[in-house]
Amino acid sequence: AAGVIQSPRHLIKEKRETATLKCYPIPRHDTVYWYQQGPGQDPQFLISFYEKMQSDKGSIPDRFSAQQFSDYHSELNMSSLELGDSALYFCASSLSGQNSNTIYFGEGSWLTVV
Amino acid sequence: GEDVEQSLFLSVREGDSSVINCTYTDSSSTYLYWYKQEPGAGLQLLTYIFSNMDMKQDQRLTVLLNKKDKHLSLRIADTQTGDSAVYFCAESRGGEAGSYQLTFGKGTKLSVIP
Repeated sequence: AAGVIQSPRHLIKEKRETATLKCYPIPRHDTVYWYQQGPGQDPQFLISFYEKMQSDKGSIPDRFSAQQFSDYHSELNMSSLELGDSALYFCASSLSGQNSNTIYFGEGSWLTVV
Repeated sequence: GEDVEQSLFLSVREGDSSVINCTYTDSSSTYLYWYKQEPGAGLQLLTYIFSNMDMKQDQRLTVLLNKKDKHLSLRIADTQTGDSAVYFCAESRGGEAGSYQLTFGKGTKLSVIP
């Protein structure tokens, strides 16, 4: 079965640069989540979208923004990168309705800021 | 606020049962989850339980929920070396439009000794 696809899998950026991560949810899933997992840490919720509208906001820095497009894919834009932004960024998706609690994660995008 | 706690390490012999424990604080949690993360990999949804249930079994996995004590456990029967991974407990809080924001524990690293 198709899973959540994230790209790129690995990214190296310098401080103060920008980065964009992409997420393609499982087909027919209309809800997308972004999580950040620092080294040795638990994943932290950043933001979520349902039907192209922001549905929930967590600990997402003001330097970050995200959106969900008409084909339901999502992009996380990160600007003025800091060393502390180095982390594994997960996208997850679910289908609204009866099974909306079933949340599937992608393999993650490794961002290294140098 | 929400807080999810897990022991950090567990070591078992191959063939034995593993029990990973988790406590949470948000009594309004609707679903509780177990995710598995292998080194350098994504989060694999293992199982979840609705908060009004007290047990769920799925092949080698048994989830027990004590809602009164806010205690969740995952039992893995006949533990194999392939079960070695970090196991995250997570609680969910319903957000807008049916989205669910997950709060994760720090993860329990399970080591299986051959």
